[in-house]
Amino acid sequence: QLQLQESGPGLVKPSETLSLTCNVSGASITSSSYFWGWIRQSPGKGLEWIGSINYSGTTYYNPSLNSRATISVDSSKKQFSLRLTSVTAADTAVYYCARLFGEISRYFGFWGQGTQVTVSS
Amino acid sequence: DIVLTQSPATLSLSPGERATLSCRASQRVTHLAWYEQKPGQAPRLLIYDASTRATGVPGRFSGSGSGTDFTLTISSLEPGDVAVYYCQHRSIRPPAWTFGQGTKVEIK
Repeated sequence: QLQLQESGPGLVKPSETLSLTCNVSGASITSSSYFWGWIRQSPGKGLEWIGSINYSGTTYYNPSLNSRATISVDSSKKQFSLRLTSVTAADTAVYYCARLFGEISRYFGFWGQGTQVTVSS
Repeated sequence: DIVLTQSPATLSLSPGERATLSCRASQRVTHLAWYEQKPGQAPRLLIYDASTRATGVPGRFSGSGSGTDFTLTISSLEPGDVAVYYCQHRSIRPPAWTFGQGTKVEIK
């Protein structure tokens, strides 16, 4: 059974780099059938797509993040990661990892439980 | 860029009533999904390809629509359906995944 588990620091200082990892169990992270993605949700707000990656390292990012996001895959550890640089209070959110599915990976088929990240000094 | 606009922002209905949620796209789209997010939980995929129920989704949830106008219907509302519902689309050029702002469903 597929399980996704986000992990990382819950508190990050302004201007520093946020680093999160999504551990994948119950499925192969190297399957060519899937993209993997990060989504966030600011307090009381809706869902915002951050970026997506496939097994070969093809990545897509939300342009609203102004090139601050980097997603990578480590197949040996069965995990993929998010780095977000130069964070501000506006980056405070619950961060979710997800596996995409469907033709051309249109949809977020399975989600992790999410991890809260607060940006504060 | 495609913008998804959901309405109403909040829907307050009694148990057993029919809930109709709308998602309007700023341009014609061919594929759309709906997600349910219950309080304190991660979102869950309900409907994809506009009208296909995801695995394990009860039959009282249905999706319809095409072009720019899509609808999620809950045929008989249950207390456990209290949640925020989001629509979502993937664009090809440029590659991007977009969510609507959500509709909150409450029980009277």
